[in-house]
Amino acid sequence: GAGVSQSPSNKVTEKGKDVELRCDPISGHTALYWYRQSLGQGLEFLIYFQGNSAPDKSGLPSDRFSAERTGGSVSTLTIQRTQQEDSAVYLCASSRASRETQYFGPGTRLLVL
Amino acid sequence: TQLLEQSPQFLSIQEGENLTVYCNSSSVFSSLQWYRQEPGEGPVLLVTVVTGGEVKKLKRLTFQFGDARKDSSLHITAAQPGDTGLYLCAGEASGTYKYIFGTGTRLKVLA
Repeated sequence: GAGVSQSPSNKVTEKGKDVELRCDPISGHTALYWYRQSLGQGLEFLIYFQGNSAPDKSGLPSDRFSAERTGGSVSTLTIQRTQQEDSAVYLCASSRASRETQYFGPGTRLLVL
Repeated sequence: TQLLEQSPQFLSIQEGENLTVYCNSSSVFSSLQWYRQEPGEGPVLLVTVVTGGEVKKLKRLTFQFGDARKDSSLHITAAQPGDTGLYLCAGEASGTYKYIFGTGTRLKVLA
């Protein structure tokens, strides 16, 4: 079946603009994660959704970041008033349930000028 | 804050050589995973180790979880150019579903 997809694949924006990043998880996967990866580095946990439970937002770096997951499927990560330090690859992963194998999308490369 | 340090950060070797990558922490993890990531793609899971002292083999790759579940190693025998990539370890913080990722080891295998 189809894997995790993310859009756009690349996004260039100006400082101060808002951006929305989309993640389509594997169908039937109840758990969804967002991570941020700076150039060639490890992944930084941002937020976790599991079914209908309240999301774990403990990794969001500031209140400019928010995410939602509609209908237990598609998720959108929104960054308001983008800053240059927000430039990174934003990765989404889904799994059938928590603690099961995470399948990653290809990521969205965000560049804030 | 739980951290996972990987070493070395960068490794460039000739085809056929052996190598070991280390993943270390002062924290205990419920499980530890190893991923490989290629440019423009997301990480792909290679293995999960759960029990302290556990050793798993995947063809030429050997993974070991430390006895105290604080560290892990990845050994590659007779490296090939196809092994080139970014290797990431990730530990599951005890009692949670959250994964702490290591700093990464970028491996380049020259033909």
